[in-house]
Amino acid sequence: QVQLQESGPGLVKPSGTLSLTCAVSGGSISNDNWWTWIRQPPGKGLAWIGEIYHTGNTHYNPSLKSRVTISVDKPKNQFSLNLTSVTAADTAVYYCVRIRLRATGGGFDSWGQGTLVTVSS
Amino acid sequence: DIVMTQSPDSLAMSLGERATINCKSSQSVLYSSNNKHYLAWYQHKPGQPPKLLIYWASTRESGVPDRFSGSGSGTDFTLTISSLQAEDVAVYYCQQYYSTPYTFGQGTKLEIK
Repeated sequence: QVQLQESGPGLVKPSGTLSLTCAVSGGSISNDNWWTWIRQPPGKGLAWIGEIYHTGNTHYNPSLKSRVTISVDKPKNQFSLNLTSVTAADTAVYYCVRIRLRATGGGFDSWGQGTLVTVSS
Repeated sequence: DIVMTQSPDSLAMSLGERATINCKSSQSVLYSSNNKHYLAWYQHKPGQPPKLLIYWASTRESGVPDRFSGSGSGTDFTLTISSLQAEDVAVYYCQQYYSTPYTFGQGTKLEIK
């Protein structure tokens, strides 16, 4: 059973860069899956940030595209999120998630526990 | 972007009752090549990550109790809990994974009356 674990600073200053890493265990990040980041601001719903394939192909939410970069590190079996020029609106619980192949059902089937990132001075 | 709209926003039911949550997509999420709707349902409890319940609109994820079922086609979908249990208290989200940006409904909070 694949497991995902987010890590990174819990506090980021306004205008700074939010950087998170997701360690994948119990399976290879080079398997035929996309890997994605989801966030949930306090008291709000779930929002998709972007996704990456082990080849490095990415898709981003247009609402964040100018500020977000997702990268993959195959030797370390992990992927990362960078979000620049953060504001208080970027305060959220951030989840890293595996996307199952659409041909076998699709859906976001394995989630990390989530990590709260607060943007504040 | 495909907009997902759930109703109601909140729901209070008695134990053992049937609970129904609706989800409407702003455009079709049917993939014509395999005739599957790329629509999923998630259960989200406080302090836990969301859990995938239903994919392809009506296929139950492994290990999910059979009191949970999904139905629908076109742009209208439903999650039904046939007999509400105390552990079903949660926020439920529908999601389309037909096209990026993947989008979620606003969530339906389910409580026990």
